[in-house]
Amino acid sequence: AQSVAQPEDQVNVAEGNPLTVKCTYSVSGNPYLFWYVQYPNRGLQFLLKYITGDNLVKGSYGFEAEFNKSQTSFHLKKPSALVSDSALYFCAVRDEGGATNKLIFGTGTLLAVQP
Amino acid sequence: EAQVTQNPRYLITVTGKKLTVTCSQNMNHEYMSWYRQDPGLGLRQIYYSMNVEVTDKGDVPEGYKVSRKEKRNFPLILESPSPNQTSLYFCASSLYTSGGGTQYFGPGTRLLVL
Repeated sequence: AQSVAQPEDQVNVAEGNPLTVKCTYSVSGNPYLFWYVQYPNRGLQFLLKYITGDNLVKGSYGFEAEFNKSQTSFHLKKPSALVSDSALYFCAVRDEGGATNKLIFGTGTLLAVQP
Repeated sequence: EAQVTQNPRYLITVTGKKLTVTCSQNMNHEYMSWYRQDPGLGLRQIYYSMNVEVTDKGDVPEGYKVSRKEKRNFPLILESPSPNQTSLYFCASSLYTSGGGTQYFGPGTRLLVL
């Protein structure tokens, strides 16, 4: 069965430091992987996705993610965190062979960036 | 502006009182879907629609209904809401029904059932 794990409920980082939000996945076929961000009282905003090709994917707001097939991971990264990056981050996967276009979401990671 | 809209944004109701949450997209997307978000569970799919008049159950469809009479609209209906349907609901749409198409989400509807 398809699944996504975000092992950290919360990540704390100081402003200016690099940040990583972890995600691992399990699918039967090739994965389509997504990161979304949810700011307080806002909807989910699309950050980036991996479909195929280069393992390093660049997205919005300076975020990037690295696809690692051998480790079945898709960690979200940013070289220098901003206080305004504080939000809830969701990793999601869609099975290439899936018939429903359904996204399977992780449980979310709360990123807190301290000034 | 390309967007997914939902109404209402906030709703407090009582057990058993039928309600509808509307969802509309202006991007001519074929695929639309409803998710609910609960703490510690992430988002789970309730229903989805591949196109007009084509709908199907997601992972947690119990207590919900949907319809897709027009391409742009995909309302979520709770015929007899119960407290366990208190949640944050998101509508989403994407251009394609398969492949790596991005799903775009609405702003969410926070529902409290007393």
